[in-house]
Amino acid sequence: AQSVSQHNHHVILSEAASLELGCNYSYGGTVNLFWYVQYPGQHLQLLLKYFSGDPLVKGIKGFEAEFIKSKFSFNLRKPSVQWSDTAEYFCAVNSNFGNEKLTFGTGTRLTIIP
Amino acid sequence: GAGVSQSPRYKVAKRGQDVALRCDPISGHVSLFWYQQALGQGPEFLTYFQNEAQLDKSGLPSDRFFAERPEGSVSTLKIQRTQQEDSAVYLCASSFGGARSYEQYFGPGTRLTVT
Repeated sequence: AQSVSQHNHHVILSEAASLELGCNYSYGGTVNLFWYVQYPGQHLQLLLKYFSGDPLVKGIKGFEAEFIKSKFSFNLRKPSVQWSDTAEYFCAVNSNFGNEKLTFGTGTRLTIIP
Repeated sequence: GAGVSQSPRYKVAKRGQDVALRCDPISGHVSLFWYQQALGQGPEFLTYFQNEAQLDKSGLPSDRFFAERPEGSVSTLKIQRTQQEDSAVYLCASSFGGARSYEQYFGPGTRLTVT
């Protein structure tokens, strides 16, 4: 079975600081990887995804993530955060076997202090 | 265009009552998913439809949970004889279907509180 670990439960940063949120997954086969974001009062929306090719993927709002297969990791990064990045961030994975269902991590709450 | 909609947004049920939660996916989306999100947790998969066929219901926690999508569009998640542990946000998502890399579009969720 697949599992996803997000070790940072709550991260507090000042505006303009750099961000890195960890995500590790457990699965022996080929996976697709996603980062979803949930802004306060809004629904989950996709930030970025990786399914093949360049392991460094760029998403919306200046976010990027790097897939490191040897470390089973897909960490999310942003060089300079803004107050509007305050949200909950979820890493998710599905496999190339079976259906498209996603397995999510427990999420990281990011608070940006102006 | 319209996104995924869910109703009701909030539902309070007394223990033992039956509830029905509705999901309207994005028009034309083949795949539809239900997830359960407990407080402080990530969403957990409940069940999956491809058109009207329920292809995976492995995540349904008990036989009190039942989902249907009879015409391949709107879906209903029914919970019979609700228990306190059923309190959670129930999320519906849809996608074009057919590829695991497709984005799933999520609805706002229904927050169920069982008292």
